[in-house]
Amino acid sequence: EIVLTQSPATLSLSPGERVTLSCRASQSVSSYLAWYQQKPGQAPRLLIYDASNRATGIPARFSGSGSGTDFTLTLSSLEPEDFAVYYCLQRSNLWTFGQGTKVELK
Amino acid sequence: EVQLVESGGGLVKPGGSLRLSCAASGFTFSSYSMNWVRQAPGKGLEWVSSISSGSSYIYYADSMKGRFTISRDNTKNSLYLQMNSLRDEDTAVYYCAREERSGYFDPWGQGTLVTVSS
Repeated sequence: EIVLTQSPATLSLSPGERVTLSCRASQSVSSYLAWYQQKPGQAPRLLIYDASNRATGIPARFSGSGSGTDFTLTLSSLEPEDFAVYYCLQRSNLWTFGQGTKVELK
Repeated sequence: EVQLVESGGGLVKPGGSLRLSCAASGFTFSSYSMNWVRQAPGKGLEWVSSISSGSSYIYYADSMKGRFTISRDNTKNSLYLQMNSLRDEDTAVYYCAREERSGYFDPWGQGTLVTVSS
């Protein structure tokens, strides 16, 4: 089973700040990695797929990078609606999620 | 509009069984693989099971193998999850999700809560 480790567990930030979230895989997943956003009481929403492709309707402030075992989700400037939990998901070998990173208001 | 609506959740005793359903609309259900993903209260996401469009390929997470059975009825645009021998740790919101051509899950339903407790 491929294990995804996200860091940090929590980020306390202010609107307008730049955010960098990390996801590390226990073995190479090539570029088969996605990022999801989840707000309280809601289903997850797909943000990025295949490491760097924005899903339909996702603002340009969200970007993804990486390949192999190290991946990054970047938000160029935090908007109030971006405070949420972010998960990575690999589909290289079945599917596994990271444990999530919570982006909270400072 | 693509819609996925789960149902069938509820309170069940340890060792009991439950069958979840997911009604799909707004897309050609028979053309897509479908998945179940769960989320324990206050915890992260956990992939449960996947079924291909024609039911030829079925996969389970290790902790669910032998207890859960995924199925679908393309004539009814419906996905199912039969859960047997339920344990306390199976308590979670269960989401159904369409598997996009890219291999990722999008969109998701709103989820149905399963509570396993005596």
